Amino acid sequence: DTGVSQNPRHKITKRGQNVTFRCDPISEHNRLYWYRQTLGQGPEFLTYFQNEAQLEKSRLLSDRFSAERPKGSFSTLEIQRTEQGDSAMYLCASSFIAANYGYTFGSGTRLTVV
Amino acid sequence: TQLLEQSPQFLSIQEGENLTVYCNSSSVFSSLQWYRQEPGEGPVLLVTVVTGGEVKKLKRLTFQFGDARKDSSLHITAAQPGDTGLYLCAGDVMGSGYALNFGKGTSLLVTP
Repeated sequence: DTGVSQNPRHKITKRGQNVTFRCDPISEHNRLYWYRQTLGQGPEFLTYFQNEAQLEKSRLLSDRFSAERPKGSFSTLEIQRTEQGDSAMYLCASSFIAANYGYTFGSGTRLTVV
Repeated sequence: TQLLEQSPQFLSIQEGENLTVYCNSSSVFSSLQWYRQEPGEGPVLLVTVVTGGEVKKLKRLTFQFGDARKDSSLHITAAQPGDTGLYLCAGDVMGSGYALNFGKGTSLLVTP
């Protein structure tokens, strides 16, 4: 297993466009998380899945943000009608159920909205 | 309000010096983790501490979990340029059951 894979690594989009990011977690891990990180800040939790079930989504930043994990494998994070304030690094991580096993993060997708 | 407060926010030292980074909260954590992040990459797990008062050593890095499980520290002995990076503490609040909360991080620069 090569770790958590995120695509694309970089995305530049015009304001108002929709964007979708993909995350392929470590196959043995049950949980998958999405975080957002802006400059000078630590990662901010957005949502997470346990297998295919999305167990927490109240922290998604607005109704323009949505995430899916069909069949409990890869996950996608979609942002509709992007705004300049959405510019950030979007990080995906996976883990076993117990949080104290620690997270394995992907390299992230850097989104720039122009 | 940040759940985990890290200090200092920035630290610039010379190779060979020692340093300590602190992570404090008013909440009790089931576990607390330290990550290191390089520019343009995701955080990489360094250690997890689970038991109050626990001390873990990883080569020149020493991690301590407070007795009350509300705080932690990271001490680096004889820092090297390769230690440069953003150090993040993260914890899962006891009873919350799901996601890690991260501090803002301490940005460390070690110059030769």
